[in-house]
Amino acid sequence: DSGVTQTPKHLITATGQRVTLRCSPRSGDLSVYWYQQSLDQGLQFLIQYYNGEERAKGNILERFSAQQFPDLHSELNLSSLELGDSALYFCASSVASGGAGEQFFGPGTRLTVL
Amino acid sequence: QQPVQSPQAVILREGEDAVINCSSSKALYSVHWYRQKHGEAPVFLMILLKGGEQKGHEKISASFNEKKQQSSLYLTASQLSYSGTYFCGTGFSGGYNKLIFGAGTRLAVHP
Repeated sequence: DSGVTQTPKHLITATGQRVTLRCSPRSGDLSVYWYQQSLDQGLQFLIQYYNGEERAKGNILERFSAQQFPDLHSELNLSSLELGDSALYFCASSVASGGAGEQFFGPGTRLTVL
Repeated sequence: QQPVQSPQAVILREGEDAVINCSSSKALYSVHWYRQKHGEAPVFLMILLKGGEQKGHEKISASFNEKKQQSSLYLTASQLSYSGTYFCGTGFSGGYNKLIFGAGTRLAVHP
């Protein structure tokens, strides 16, 4: 158990809908990262927040947005969902923002878009 | 910008050794290694930093060649529990710990 929690574990929805994925980092970690992993693919970095501020962006679609709240939990919002958005979405947390700190991954949310 | 991992897949017998390589076309600040079992979250194995600092699990060893922008993960005396997909994640100076992951190397260890 990494100490990172994600909810829900599974999510099934239809095309065109909007969903929110939630992540709570490990106690004391200020950085939260979101990754997308499509079937049998690698981890695609989406976005990073540090202590409430956006710090780095990856290949995140305009239909996707995220935020980190004062209590440090983060939410990833996915809208106008398409079939291709079906994937495992991981959240990770670390103490560091800059430099190199190990990232601890949550169990993931499996999103299925029908 | 995505690092290249090789080989793509490895099959071992218990007790055999393997080396997994990670190569980047861009100057690296750090290399992170993770192992992921099917349907589970990636698990941290090791960080290697520019300048020689390393942090990771005792039974895992790795190297980082800064000049060649390459890293290798050494798995010795493999156990069944080593099976999974190994990912390297590359970090860049000023990148706020943002990692770009390779496509992964699938390792299967058989009795």
